[in-house]
Amino acid sequence: DAMVIQNPRYQVTQFGKPVTLSCSQTLNHNVMYWYQQKSSQAPKLLFHYYDKDFNNEADTPDNFQSRRPNTSFCFLDIRSPGLGDAAMYLCATSFTGGRNEKLFFGSGTQLSVL
Amino acid sequence: DAKTTQPNSMESNEEEPVHLPCNHSTISGTDYIHWYRQLPSQGPEYVIHGLTSNVNNRMASLAIAEDRKSSTLILHRATLRDAAVYYCILRDDSGGYQKVTFGIGTKLQVIP
Repeated sequence: DAMVIQNPRYQVTQFGKPVTLSCSQTLNHNVMYWYQQKSSQAPKLLFHYYDKDFNNEADTPDNFQSRRPNTSFCFLDIRSPGLGDAAMYLCATSFTGGRNEKLFFGSGTQLSVL
Repeated sequence: DAKTTQPNSMESNEEEPVHLPCNHSTISGTDYIHWYRQLPSQGPEYVIHGLTSNVNNRMASLAIAEDRKSSTLILHRATLRDAAVYYCILRDDSGGYQKVTFGIGTKLQVIP
């Protein structure tokens, strides 16, 4: 039973064409994270929400935005994708983000930019 | 954030135990040690975590040094399905909301 669901599994977009990736969770967790993972690299945190409180990483480009309309859903918007934005995008959740808690990850969305 | 150091890659024979090391010499007293693994084309999955005492679960064991400056993830009997990248992560309260930062990890190859 999937608990963190990412759609689509694969997404192809054109250079400069806005794209939205989605994530949903059935765990009722307070914290939702978005990571970017390029080939052979470690996942890199872009931003996260604690409830409706948005927390952006300092080095996340302005091109990346996020929305969390309710507890269950979170979206990653890339306003003008460049070739360098091709990557796996991972969504994760945690109950409160406490250091004694584990993260639950989705299977990721592989984004290609043509 | 306290840093971790892991070997880039390791090999193991199938059905043999695997010991994956992690150094974290700057760990603070309240940092938890977490391990995740990432199978090819999948998101990371939680393996195990601990604070001071050794921990066991159905997936693995975590051995934590007495001074907490290092730890070892132990897979008791490696299978081909254990081939993955294993990440050792310290979780603390710095940066707010306990964000989780991944290092490079150790790529484990299991040889049949």
